[in-house]
Amino acid sequence: NAGVMQNPRHLVRRRGQEARLRCSPMKGHSHVYWYRQLPEEGLKFMVYLQKENIIDESGMPKERFSAEFPKEGPSILRIQQVVRGDSAAYFCASSPYRDHYGYTFGSGTRLTVV
Amino acid sequence: DQQVKQNSPSLSVQEGRISILNCDYTNSMFDYFLWYKKYPAEGPTFLISISSIKDKNEDGRFTVFLNKSAKHLSLHIVPSQPGDSAVYFCAANYGGSQGNLIFGKGTKLSVKP
Repeated sequence: NAGVMQNPRHLVRRRGQEARLRCSPMKGHSHVYWYRQLPEEGLKFMVYLQKENIIDESGMPKERFSAEFPKEGPSILRIQQVVRGDSAAYFCASSPYRDHYGYTFGSGTRLTVV
Repeated sequence: DQQVKQNSPSLSVQEGRISILNCDYTNSMFDYFLWYKKYPAEGPTFLISISSIKDKNEDGRFTVFLNKSAKHLSLHIVPSQPGDSAVYFCAANYGGSQGNLIFGKGTKLSVKP
């Protein structure tokens, strides 16, 4: 019974490139949350998705960032034209239903923009 | 503007003693509070939670206390063990917020043998 799987674990991108971060939720979980942790900071909410729907994207930067959770396959967080300030750890969490607060987090993807 | 504050970046405790981690919040709408533990290079792990209708919740060595009038909660670990050394995050939520958590910046706990 695998946990929340995120890949890659580490991702290095040059400024201006695109970054794609993948998250496979736990089996039976249809709710996915993305959080970002900047150095020396707590986790900050980015987006909440259910299958094929974005429920809340109030934490997403207005430009360059997008997320999806298709009917089949993992959830994807996409960052276009990355900048140095995008360097952070990105964590995905999943839950079996809405309002289940004891999320299970993945191990994260550490994005470094050079 | 930080709604959840953990004012102590670090805490060092001797093995076997009590660890007390503190958290303050500003938003009176918060009605659910959680503690997560995080080891380096891993994701946060859910530890314990408390609803605002309670003032205490206990799970083994871990107890969370909530003081709503002071907008303060604390996590007690008794007895502390070296394996408890990690960063502890306090998080909060309120009904209608779609389940999104507001996290503090964390407190790094070191338990010395």
